[in-house]
Amino acid sequence: DAMVIQNPRYQVTQFGKPVTLSCSQTLNHNVMYWYQQKSSQAPKLLFHYYDKDFNNEADTPDNFQSRRPNTSFCFLDIRSPGLGDAAMYLCATSRGGVNEAFFGQGTRLTVV
Amino acid sequence: AQTVTQSQPEMSVQEAETVTLSCTYDTSESNYYLFWYKQPPSRQMILVIRQEAYKQQNATENRFSVNFQKAAKSFSLKISDSQLGDTAMYFCAFMTYLNNNDMRFGAGTRLTVKP
Repeated sequence: DAMVIQNPRYQVTQFGKPVTLSCSQTLNHNVMYWYQQKSSQAPKLLFHYYDKDFNNEADTPDNFQSRRPNTSFCFLDIRSPGLGDAAMYLCATSRGGVNEAFFGQGTRLTVV
Repeated sequence: AQTVTQSQPEMSVQEAETVTLSCTYDTSESNYYLFWYKQPPSRQMILVIRQEAYKQQNATENRFSVNFQKAAKSFSLKISDSQLGDTAMYFCAFMTYLNNNDMRFGAGTRLTVKP
């Protein structure tokens, strides 16, 4: 089935140690999003790609970077994770325009 | 600024009964879409229902329907004949034609369906 897949489901990293979360899609969608979701809060948009065009939210810390090497894959890099970066990270895709987003199951990041 | 407000952090309903989740939003745009997403305990978020702002008719998907009041900027979700599988976080979301790759979410309502 076409879907959005995030790996790993659970990631534990050490304070300050770079970590990469991955997302792949078989939907061939133009847009890929990364959201950060902390407990009992709304998903917060970090950035998104429309094809190769990268769009960063103004309040996304520089500690967060993203790469999209091709249509199918998108990565979230956290250069120096802090305790406050522990959260669920959600990847989503969309055809673009005012179309619904399709979400992956998320990666829960723990920082120790 | 465009904001989405869900004023009910938690709700519960008895199985087979009806429940309504509230959502209000604020925007200066006239063309936009509204969505309700469901996030079950397994955490994958899925679309429940969507509403185009230019349509006066309220959207309906089986047991799920919305009450869209454009003037009041209100977009509530009604779940009829609630089922145990409806237990989840429900997020109201908003997207404008102008910023149509930027979906904004409310803080969510945790719904528990009780047997």
